[in-house]
Amino acid sequence: KNQVEQSPQSLIILEGKNCTLQCNYTVSPFSNLRWYKQDTGRGPVSLTIMTFSENTKSNGRYTATLDADTKQSSLHITASQLSDSASYICVGGGSNYKLTFGKGTLLTVNP
Amino acid sequence: NAGVTQTPKFQVLKTGQSMTLQCAQDMNHEYMSWYRQDPGMGLRLIHYSVGAGITDQGEVPNGYNVSRSTTEDFPLRLLSAAPSQTSVYFCASSARTSDAYEQFFGPGTRLTVL
Repeated sequence: KNQVEQSPQSLIILEGKNCTLQCNYTVSPFSNLRWYKQDTGRGPVSLTIMTFSENTKSNGRYTATLDADTKQSSLHITASQLSDSASYICVGGGSNYKLTFGKGTLLTVNP
Repeated sequence: NAGVTQTPKFQVLKTGQSMTLQCAQDMNHEYMSWYRQDPGMGLRLIHYSVGAGITDQGEVPNGYNVSRSTTEDFPLRLLSAAPSQTSVYFCASSARTSDAYEQFFGPGTRLTVL
């Protein structure tokens, strides 16, 4: 069964600090790895999408990495802002539009 | 360009009632899907469609029905609501571009079944 595990479950940091969120996945066949940001009461919004041949992708202050050999991904947030407070969801993409969602890491950025 | 829209935003039903959650997209995307999001769980796929007239079941299809008569609309019907269907429902659409397709989510419908 396909699975995506994220850690930590929740994280509190101070504004301006960096942080890294982790994701381990078991998805077969594996096509791509995605990170979404979900603000409270809103739908998820795509941050990055990496195919199995890519090992890093950036979107502003967000940088995702992918190690397809160890089936691990991380999302690094640089110089955090209050607006970064959200749930960050790791998603493993398989064949034929099939996506496996992690439970998310809840990030709180305090002033 | 409104993206993916969902109505209603909130809904309260009594057990046994039926209702339809509406979803529309104006991006001419072929693929549309419905997910439910429950506390402590990842999003789970209910039903999906790869084009008008074509639908298929996802991970948790029981108690739900869908149809896709147009590219733009993909309604989700609850046939006889149960408390276990209390959840937040998200509709999403995507167009295949290269190996990875970006999926756009709607704002969600929060459903409570009493």
